[in-house]
Amino acid sequence: DAGVTQSPTHLIKTRGQQVTLRCSPKSGHDTVSWYQQALGQGPQFIFQYYEEEERQRGNFPDRFSGHQFPNYSSELNVNALLLGDSALYLCASSIGGSRYGYTFGSGTRLTVV
Amino acid sequence: AQTVTQSQPEMSVQEAETVTLSCTYDTSENNYYLFWYKQPPSRQMILVIRQEAYKQQNATENRFSVNFQKAAKSFSLKISDSQLGDTAMYFCAFKNYGGSQGNLIFGKGTKLSVKP
Repeated sequence: DAGVTQSPTHLIKTRGQQVTLRCSPKSGHDTVSWYQQALGQGPQFIFQYYEEEERQRGNFPDRFSGHQFPNYSSELNVNALLLGDSALYLCASSIGGSRYGYTFGSGTRLTVV
Repeated sequence: AQTVTQSQPEMSVQEAETVTLSCTYDTSENNYYLFWYKQPPSRQMILVIRQEAYKQQNATENRFSVNFQKAAKSFSLKISDSQLGDTAMYFCAFKNYGGSQGNLIFGKGTKLSVKP
């Protein structure tokens, strides 16, 4: 049973560019959440998608946007990249707003130069 | 707003010994969930143990157990018989009870090193 799959694993972008990160949830999960983890910090919640709609959003600017597809997979888009966007981006899936916690992927390491 | 504090940036323990990681949190809610996640160098967050605030009994998963003190807003993790594979970052996390408030709030983590 495949867990959460994220692609790519590593990415280097230039300031001002745009980036798209992808996530396939664990089989049977219908909710996808995205987190940003800066070096040496705990993950920070970006947003959560359920039924193809953004259900909840953390304190991130509109440069961060997302999408969920009918097969529950999700994309995270970041526009106008800043050096401070360099981080590990984690995707987590669950069944609804699961009280059992979430299953995480191994993340995408984004470096902005 | 809820916050989670882990006051120990780094800890080390000898193999086969016991170690306790500390976590405190701040919330005005009465019902919520608490979690400990492990993040090894592979980067994947792995759920270690969870606790539901309305349950007084402390959760236990094999060598991992928690000491949940609701009044003190404390949620520590005890690892018994430490193994080399326990070396990782450990994050304490809080989640509101309501289904519409689905995000996890993490602490800054504790880096645990298990020494042979």
